[in-house]
Formats: sequence, C-alpha cells, structure tokens
Amino acid sequence: AQSVTQLGSHVSVSEGALVLLRCNYSSSVPPYLFWYVQYPNQGLQLLLKYTSAATLVKGINGFEAEFKKSETSFHLTKPSAHMSDAAEYFCAVRVYNNNDMRFGAGTRLTVKP
Amino acid sequence: ETGVTQSPTHLIKTRGQQVTLRCSSQSGHNTVSWYQQALGQGPQFIFQYYREEENGRGNFPPRFSGLQFPNYSSELNVNALELDDSALYLCASSPGSGGHYEQYFGPGTRLTVT
Repeated sequence: AQSVTQLGSHVSVSEGALVLLRCNYSSSVPPYLFWYVQYPNQGLQLLLKYTSAATLVKGINGFEAEFKKSETSFHLTKPSAHMSDAAEYFCAVRVYNNNDMRFGAGTRLTVKP
Repeated sequence: ETGVTQSPTHLIKTRGQQVTLRCSSQSGHNTVSWYQQALGQGPQFIFQYYREEENGRGNFPPRFSGLQFPNYSSELNVNALELDDSALYLCASSPGSGGHYEQYFGPGTRLTVT
C-alpha cells in the first residue's frame, strides 16, 4: 500500500526565508501526490497536486513542489516565508484505483518575525 | 458556490453512546470521503461513498458506518463510542471517485468522548 513520510514534525523559519518541507512517498504504482495546509480549528485546504503531468507543480500562495521519482520525494518549497504561512502542512498520496488517501503525520511551520 | 459544510461543529458524547455526523458536499460533487484526525496526527481514511454506494474503506471497525443520500450529502455513524474515538472528523467531497481527483474538505466536527 502507498504511504508518505514527512521529515520533521516542526520547522521554524524567519520571515522572508526559504521554506522547505520534506515529503517522501512509497508506492508500487504511479502515485498522485498532494500537499494540504491546515490552519487552527479548520479543515484542510489543497495547496497543490501532482497527477503525472509536469514534475514541477505550482500551487497557491507561492508554494511549489517537485516530483522526483528517483528520490521518491515531493518536497514543498516557498522562496520567501510570510507570517500568514504559519500552519500545519500535510503531504498525501493516492493511486488511481484506490480511494484510500494516505496522509503524513504533518509538519508544523512556525514563522518568526 | 457553497463549499463543504459539516454539522455539528462540536459534540460531546459518553462512552457507549452512538453519534451521527453530517456532511453536505460541494455542488456538482458526487463523492464523499470521511477521515478521522486524532490530535497531533494526520487524517486517516475511514471510507468513501460514490453515488450512494460505499466505494472503499480504511482500517476501521464495522461500528463506523455511513450513508450517502440522493443529493450526495452524507452521514457518518459511530456506534458504541470509545474514548479513542475522540478526534476531528473531516468530510471531503470530490467530483469523482478516481485517485486523481482533488478533495475539498469541510471544517470538521470535533467529537469528544468522555
């Protein structure tokens, strides 16, 4: 079955610094990969998704992620952090014929002024 | 366009009781998935409903059951509540059941079992 591992349960950056949140996946068939953001006491909002088109995926709020099959990775980046980016971020994986979307444990991003 | 809504927002139940959570899907979406998110963890897939039929189930016992109605809204029922059922329950709707479809999440129902 497919799975994801998020490296680092907590990442802290300064405002204006690069954001890098790591996600590695495991799947025996080509995966669909997603990054979601969750603000306190809210549901999940989709940031971006990879569905086997371009390997560099651009999402909302300036985030992007690159699918690297050789490294089984789908890391999330943003060139310049903003205070409003502070939230919990989840990486998730699905495959075409399986409706079970597997989430990572999440990474809490803190942005320091 | 109305997004995914869930009710109630919060709920407190006693161990052994039964609970029903409700979800209204986004307009035009025929698929609803339910997730359990324990504190400090990622969401875990409970099951999915597609056109009123269960269409995939995660590793949850049969006391977790669901329904989908002709208007594609959905209910999650949990019988014989246990303390470990305390969690945020998330509903997500999508325009289809395939893995490539993105899911749109509601704000969740926070269930506390005492």
